[in-house]
Amino acid sequence: QLQESGPGLVKPSETLSLTCTVSNGSISGGRYYYTWIRQPPGKGLEWIGTLYYSGSTSYNPSLRSRIAISVDTSKNQFSLNLTSVTAADTAVYFCAEGLNFFDPWGQGILVTVSS
Amino acid sequence: DIQMTQSPSSLSASVGDRVTITCRANHDISTYLSWYQQKPGKAPKLLIFDTSNSQTGVPSRFSGTGSVTHFTLTISSLQPEDVATYYCQHYDILPPRKLTFGQGTRLE
Repeated sequence: QLQESGPGLVKPSETLSLTCTVSNGSISGGRYYYTWIRQPPGKGLEWIGTLYYSGSTSYNPSLRSRIAISVDTSKNQFSLNLTSVTAADTAVYFCAEGLNFFDPWGQGILVTVSS
Repeated sequence: DIQMTQSPSSLSASVGDRVTITCRANHDISTYLSWYQQKPGKAPKLLIFDTSNSQTGVPSRFSGTGSVTHFTLTISSLQPEDVATYYCQHYDILPPRKLTFGQGTRLE
């Protein structure tokens, strides 16, 4: 139901841009909450931020200055932009449905930050 | 900040064993806790939400209990397909919202 897409390689200091396509049409249908979560290779999970159906967002304080999550209801997609990336941003990025807990999840996309 | 600490970090068990994984919070989090199962190369799967509510389709051998700062995930009779890493996750209900995962427990 959710599928991440975007480049698998991003250069340091550039912007990471990912899109999550929701196949069940729930974005255009009204009330929804969608979230981005990432997982560095071999490590644990980190919440990035959540998009509310009202258009508002909540972000991880540690990333807030660099992230933006937006929605395109006409395409049933929501997006993540992460600016000024470094090697520490190398991770599998997941999109998921939910506000407080998450189900379902996309399969994830590995994004490597390297020159 | 709320910090979630899981124990053990890893454990080995046999088919049929009763397995318990613990998640502790450094502050009172009421019952705002979920559990996930992640198999290698796969996305996490929601097992339990709000401490003790099983997600639809999750086998009945998985159960969750706890409150305040101490939470447990129990597998009543371990099956081969339960080999995975398990994560607990807390969510804030008051702004500024933040969600925090435990560091994971690898079950072999």
